[in-house]
Amino acid sequence: EVQLVQSGAEVKKPGESLRISCKGSGYSFTSYWISWVRQMPGKGLEWMGRIDPSDSYTNYSPSFQGHVTISADKSISTAYLQWSSLKASDTAMYYCARFIITISPRGYYYYYMDVWGKGTTVTVSS
Amino acid sequence: EIVLTQSPGTLSLSPGERATLSCRASQSVSSSYLAWYQQKPGQAPRLLIYGASSRATGIPDRFSGSGSGTDFTLTISRLEPEDFAVYYCQQYGSSQFTFGPGTKVDIK
Repeated sequence: EVQLVQSGAEVKKPGESLRISCKGSGYSFTSYWISWVRQMPGKGLEWMGRIDPSDSYTNYSPSFQGHVTISADKSISTAYLQWSSLKASDTAMYYCARFIITISPRGYYYYYMDVWGKGTTVTVSS
Repeated sequence: EIVLTQSPGTLSLSPGERATLSCRASQSVSSSYLAWYQQKPGQAPRLLIYGASSRATGIPDRFSGSGSGTDFTLTISRLEPEDFAVYYCQQYGSSQFTFGPGTKVDIK
């Protein structure tokens, strides 16, 4: 079974650093990109960025560029989302998801996220 | 950046009724880049539809997607109790995913 298992809930103070994780299993981890998605309390989904675990190439949403760092360790099939200095506004649920790019028989590219982790709750409060 | 808007914001229906959810893009989107997700309270999103009209693995055939250009639709032919949830459309363009704000389908 294809799974993404995320690390547990975190409670941090403003200014602290944090790294949360997402471990893939049941598939070839380096064959698919991993995306991170934020959901603030009571709000919708926001795509943060993605990483190619095979070479650690990343790209970020402009809204998150410079605020977070996405990384991966392919030797342990794990992707990470990291903050160097948390703010109260980082309080949210964070999901990782497997990023699929496929090509139809007619040559069309499909882009979507097919498997999601259960999410990691991050609470930042003084 | 392509902006997605979804309507209505909330759809109040009874089990057995048909639900029609709209997703409109600020500029033309390739159909193959348009997906729909379902999210229930306390759960992660679940992929329903990709490529505007292809059902994901294990998704019942009461869910269907259609549309092209700037206008896309998710239809639930007969609502089951487990279908009451929030639905998001998503597009991929310029190496970015963007999501619509969601449509909540609740029980009338």
